[in-house]
Amino acid sequence: AAGVIQSPRHLIKEKRETATLKCYPIPRHDTVYWYQQGPGQDPQFLISFYEKMQSDKGSIPDRFSAQQFSDYHSELNMSSLELGDSALYFCASSLVGQDRHEQYFGPGTRLTVT
Amino acid sequence: AQKITQTQPGMFVQEKEAVTLDCTYDTSDPSYGLFWYKQPSSGEMIFLIYQGSYDQQNATEGRYSLNFQKARKSANLVISASQLGDSAMYFCAMREGTYGQNFVFGPGTRLSVLP
Repeated sequence: AAGVIQSPRHLIKEKRETATLKCYPIPRHDTVYWYQQGPGQDPQFLISFYEKMQSDKGSIPDRFSAQQFSDYHSELNMSSLELGDSALYFCASSLVGQDRHEQYFGPGTRLTVT
Repeated sequence: AQKITQTQPGMFVQEKEAVTLDCTYDTSDPSYGLFWYKQPSSGEMIFLIYQGSYDQQNATEGRYSLNFQKARKSANLVISASQLGDSAMYFCAMREGTYGQNFVFGPGTRLSVLP
């Protein structure tokens, strides 16, 4: 079965640079979520989109923005990168109409800011 | 206040034995969902099991079962017949509300299965 695809899998950037992470949800899933997981931490919710509209916002810094496109893929744009942004960034997708709403996670993008 | 508490930072279990990973949660919403995810050292998050707040029976998925005690607000994961491949980080997560979308994760429990 198709899973959530994230690209790139690894990214190295310098401070103050920008980065764009991409997510391709499971086909027919209508909701995309972004999470940030720092080293040794649990995933922290950043933002979600339902049917291409922002639906919920968590602890996403103002330097970050995201959107979901007409083909349901989503991009997380990160500007003025800081050392503390180094983390594993997960995208997850779900089908809200389902009773359980379980989220299926992609493999993650490991961002290293130097 | 923490919404999800996992009091065991690390656990050890002998191969082929059963192990229980604790999870307690805090919510005032009558409708919620509880999830367990496994994160191996490779980093991916793997969905294991789900329990809805209105479910009458404890959820089971193969070797995984959920000991759901609603009055105590606990949702412990039981892994039977542990295997070496079960060594991983285990996260308990909660979705609040019928249409709530974001998950809140607990701090996780690192399970090590000993041969």
